[in-house]
Amino acid sequence: AQTVTQSQPEMSVQEAETVTLSCTYDTSESDYYLFWYKQPPSRQMILVIRQEAYKQQNATENRFSVNFQKAAKSFSLKISDSQLGDAAMYFCAYSYGGATNKLIFGTGTLLAVQP
Amino acid sequence: DGGITQSPKYLFRKEGQNVTLSCEQNLNHDAMYWYRQDPGQGLRLIYYSQIVNDFQKGDIAEGYSVSREKKESFPLTVTSAQKNPTAFYLCASSSLGQGAGLDTEAFFGQGTRLTVV
Repeated sequence: AQTVTQSQPEMSVQEAETVTLSCTYDTSESDYYLFWYKQPPSRQMILVIRQEAYKQQNATENRFSVNFQKAAKSFSLKISDSQLGDAAMYFCAYSYGGATNKLIFGTGTLLAVQP
Repeated sequence: DGGITQSPKYLFRKEGQNVTLSCEQNLNHDAMYWYRQDPGQGLRLIYYSQIVNDFQKGDIAEGYSVSREKKESFPLTVTSAQKNPTAFYLCASSSLGQGAGLDTEAFFGQGTRLTVV
């Protein structure tokens, strides 16, 4: 069965600094999708960034980038120039896609941004 | 605007009652999902549906039931058999399939907070 592990329950970063959130996963599939979702205090789930496993290039969205290591089954999120609005719970998620496309989530990392 | 609407935002249930959470989407997505969120446990899949009139159990389906009579709607009923229903419930939808360039993003509603009183 596929699993997603986030080993950092809480992280803190100074405003304008860089922080990296860790995520590892386990799967026997060769083609799949990985996601980072942000959940602010409003509890609305917001997609931050997505990575297709068949792509070797790491995904980037403005200040957000990932370090995708397929062999190591690692998928970390780097937030550069952290802003107060980045404070939220961050969830790493896996999807096989295909006929179900259901997401499997990690337990989340609560990120605090210090002014 | 396209999106997913969950209602109500807050719901209170008495012991022994069944309650139904609403989820409607206008994104023309085939698949819809219900997740439960508890502190420290992330999101866990309750039920999902890939097509009208068909649905499958997720990891924690006991004490819950669903229906999918319309593509746009996927209501969740929390039955009296659910021993610990107090949680935050999220509905999501997505397209299906697999392949290069296919949009697999899941869109989420704003959630329903269910409390047993």
